[in-house]
This record gives sequence, C-alpha cells and structure tokens, in this order.
Amino acid sequence: DIQMTQSPSSLSASVGDRVTITCRASQSMTSYLNWYQQKPGKAPKLLIYAASSLQSGVPSRFSGGGSGTDFTLTISSLQPEDFATYYCQQSYSTPRTFGQGTKVEIK
Amino acid sequence: QVQLQESGPGLLKPSETLSLTCTVSGGSISSYYWGWIRQPPGKGLEWIGYIYYSGSTSYNPSLKSRVTTSVDTSKNQFSLKLSSVTAADTAVYYCARHSYDSKSGYNWFDPWGQGTLVTVSS
Repeated sequence: DIQMTQSPSSLSASVGDRVTITCRASQSMTSYLNWYQQKPGKAPKLLIYAASSLQSGVPSRFSGGGSGTDFTLTISSLQPEDFATYYCQQSYSTPRTFGQGTKVEIK
Repeated sequence: QVQLQESGPGLLKPSETLSLTCTVSGGSISSYYWGWIRQPPGKGLEWIGYIYYSGSTSYNPSLKSRVTTSVDTSKNQFSLKLSSVTAADTAVYYCARHSYDSKSGYNWFDPWGQGTLVTVSS
C-alpha cells in the first residue's frame, strides 16, 4: 500500500494568510494525487485532481503542485469558509489511500 | 447534476451484516465506477472498494474477505455488504462516483453522498 503523510496535522491561521499543506507519498506516483476539503458533519469535497487541476467551481485561491512523492495544497488568501480539514488521496494504485488530514483552524 | 444518497440501517449488532444502498440521481450509473469510503468517528478516510457499472470490482485487501458490492442499473443503484461486523466497523459510510479520465488514467472521487452513520453495538 502507498502510505500518505500530511504535514502539519493541524495549523492555526488568520483570514488573508497564505497557507500551504504538504503531502508525501511512500513511493513515486507521478501526478496521481487528489485533494479534498471536509467540513464538520459534511462529506469531503473534491478541490484538486491530478495534483494541480482545479475542480470546476472551486475558487482560484486554491492551487495544487508537486509530482513524484511530494505534493502541496496552497490557499493563497485564507477565507472564513476555508476553515476545515483537508485530505490528500493517491489515485495511482489500489488500495486507494488518504493522508491523515490537516485541520485548518482560526487563529 | 449527479447526486448520491446512501440508505440502510444505522444500528447493527456484532456479527451481523452491514447492507447499504447508494441511489444515483441526475445521471446514469452506466459508464462509471462507483465507490465506497468510510470514516470512523473523529478519524480519517478509508477506501473500501469500487464497482464498475458492468460489475467488475476492486476491494481494499484489509476488508476484501468481508466485502461484497453489486450494481442494479435498472434502479440506478449500487450496494455494499460488509459481513461479520464489529465495533471497529462503526463509521460514517460514504458512496461516491469514482471518475476516470480515460486518456490520462487520472481518477478521483466526485461527487460524494452525504454519508450515513452505521453504529455496531450490542
């Protein structure tokens, strides 16, 4: 199985801050990496697929980067509605696996 | 737009079989893969498996011996069965469309159902 490790596990930030979350895979997987946002009591929502492709309807302040084993999710200017937990997920092989999540909290 | 809705019992006793159905509306179940993901309370996401509309499947090896999935194209539904449940199977169960880009092979889960909490307790 490909292990996905996110860092940090949680962070505190203010509205307007630039936030970057990192996801590292245990083996290379080119760009087979997706990012999801989950708010309390809600299902995850796809933000980024194929490492850097923005899902339709997702604000442009979200961006993804990286390839191989190291990936990033960046929020260029944090908005109040962005406080949530973010998960990376590899789509390179089965079983599909997720990172442990990064909780973005209000500072 | 495509919407998914899970349904099934919310409370099971240990050793029973979990049975959930996902109803797809706003689009056809054909020509797509459909998946199940679960999330124990306060924890992360675990992929259970997926089924193609034609019936081919792939399961997480950690659950493979207990998982069965099926699809009913006439009802636009797909289903999950997980046998011999224990307290460790207590989780919110999500169904999701497992979308594929046929040219690149890139794939992702979107959209998701709202999720249904299944509790295993004696």
